[in-house]
This record gives sequence, C-alpha cells and structure tokens, in this order.
Amino acid sequence: QQQVKQSPQSLIVQKGGISIINCAYENTAFDYFPWYQQFPGKGPALLIAIRPDVSEKKEGRFTISFNKSAKQFSLHIMDSQPGDSATYFCAASLSGTYKYIFGTGTRLKVLA
Amino acid sequence: SAVISQKPSRDICQRGTSLTIQCQVDSQVTMMFWYRQQPGQSLTLIATANQGSEATYESGFVIDKFPISRPNLTFSTLTVSNMSPEDSSIYLCSVESDPWTQYFGPGTRLLVL
Repeated sequence: QQQVKQSPQSLIVQKGGISIINCAYENTAFDYFPWYQQFPGKGPALLIAIRPDVSEKKEGRFTISFNKSAKQFSLHIMDSQPGDSATYFCAASLSGTYKYIFGTGTRLKVLA
Repeated sequence: SAVISQKPSRDICQRGTSLTIQCQVDSQVTMMFWYRQQPGQSLTLIATANQGSEATYESGFVIDKFPISRPNLTFSTLTVSNMSPEDSSIYLCSVESDPWTQYFGPGTRLLVL
C-alpha cells in the first residue's frame, strides 16, 4: 500500500514530441506528489509538484495531470528536447510526515 | 530552495572499512534526510535526521550500520560502517527547506571492493 508504481521503465521520443510518464498509488493518505529529474552523475532535481486538490498543474513545457479517483498522476513533457533526456522519478508524500515514497523511475531519451 | 554539497563526491573502499559522508546546506533547515540509490534503481530513505535528536531509521536500516550525526541546522554526516560490496550505491542527502519540498545534494558514489 506504500508503493508508487511508475511506468514505463524507459521511453524514447522524437524531438518535438510529447513524453508521458505515469504513476499510480494505493494509499489515499498521500497528499503531495512531486516529480524529480535526474541527470547521470547528479542528484535528483525538483521539476514540478501537485496537491490532490487540483487536477492539473503546468510549468512551462511540463504538466502534471492528477486523477484523484483513479489514484493516478502523470507527467507530460511537451515539445520534448534532447536536453530533457534524463531519468524521471515520481514520488508521493505521506500526510503528516515528511517521507517521500519514490517510484521506480523512467529513463527518457529524446532523439534529435 | 537550498544549495547542498556532499563530500566526498565518490570513493572506492575496501570491505570491512567505514566511510563518513558529509552533507552541508547553505541555510538552516530542520529536516535532513539520507537516501540510498543503488545503480539504476530508485531512491530508498535510510533515515531522517533532526537537529538535537536521534535519527529515525526506516525499516531495514539500523544505527549500528548507518550512524548519523546532526550537530547543527546546516550539517549532517552519515557513516557506512563495516562495508561490504552490497553497500556500493549512491548516497544522497536531502533537506526540506520549503514546506513539503525536498532538495537533494549531488550524491556520494561509493564502490566497495
């Protein structure tokens, strides 16, 4: 019940295309959902985050869509660029704690 | 946000030895966290370190193996004790400097031979 399931494991997208990464959770106590981007040899960097009281949040080319009833959320990267090639992790935070439960990660490669 | 540095950035160690990893943040923070990321894997929380109190360890991690110090609001150390090859991982510290949001350091890449 504490898991966050992330898919796909890897993704190849053409430059200019849309990259979509999905996450699902079971624990309804989760109430904060961040996405992190990690380049090789670097620590994860916060990309965008959402709370379950909104269904969508957009920051530049990055959008989180949130479906509370389905307990799913997804990251959309519009106009994907080769510089977006990285590993993306979704996470969920337990209400009342500071603990993050991370998904398994998605390796994105954007072809030039 | 917060700027976090870690030392060392990488190390190669012999089995049976111990390594202490340092984490320094550029502002005072209450919550600091230590994670392990095995090659190609996700992040697993080792422990939460608050200043002035004992670290809280997650299931599967014990203080004897991963002792943590938190002497002030900008610094923490994680020691990996009596290392074995299975301890080869990236060790990351993170801080919560904005509500609900964790910022990560660059990580320490450890290889145990």
